[in-house]
Amino acid sequence: AQSVSQHNHHVILSEAASLELGCNYSYGGTVNLFWYVQYPGQHLQLLLKYFSGDPLVKGIKGFEAEFIKSKFSFNLRKPSVQWSDTAEYFCAVNLYNTDKLIFGTGTRLQVFP
Amino acid sequence: DVKVTQSSRYLVKRTGEKVFLECVQDMDHENMFWYRQDPGLGLRLIYFSYDVKMKEKGDIPEGYSVSREKKERFSLILESASTNQTSMYLCASSSTGAGTYEQYFGPGTRLTVT
Repeated sequence: AQSVSQHNHHVILSEAASLELGCNYSYGGTVNLFWYVQYPGQHLQLLLKYFSGDPLVKGIKGFEAEFIKSKFSFNLRKPSVQWSDTAEYFCAVNLYNTDKLIFGTGTRLQVFP
Repeated sequence: DVKVTQSSRYLVKRTGEKVFLECVQDMDHENMFWYRQDPGLGLRLIYFSYDVKMKEKGDIPEGYSVSREKKERFSLILESASTNQTSMYLCASSSTGAGTYEQYFGPGTRLTVT
């Protein structure tokens, strides 16, 4: 069965540190890739998405992600985190021509001032 | 702005009760989804619907049923609530026609079964 792995379950950083959250998926066909974020007390919202074209995708709030097809990865990065980035981050995969998303287990990010 | 609303933010029910969770979206989306979110397990799909009166089981449908009588409304039903159904329940919607597969989420209902 298709799956999405997020190996970092809990990440703690100081402000201004760089961030990279890992995401790997298991599916050999065409995929669409997403990162969602859930700030404390808020609903899940889209951070960025990849469908095709440039494998480096830029999203909101200075986040970016790189799709590496050979590694089945879609890692999320931010060069300098802020306290307001404290949230839970979910990677998700949409198998081509289906409407369902498969979510990873999430990574909880805590940023300290 | 896409809006997905859920009937309650917090709900406390007793074991054995029948529980209804309601979700409404205002964007004329064809697809609607129910997930449960548990720490360390991420989001798991319970059921989804791709049209009125149409439904498909997700990964964890046991103990749940759904109803979609109108396009904008998707209900999740716990026929006989049990303590292991204590969880956060998230509703989402998406448009097939848009071709983006992006799902829009509601605020969630935190259900506690005692």
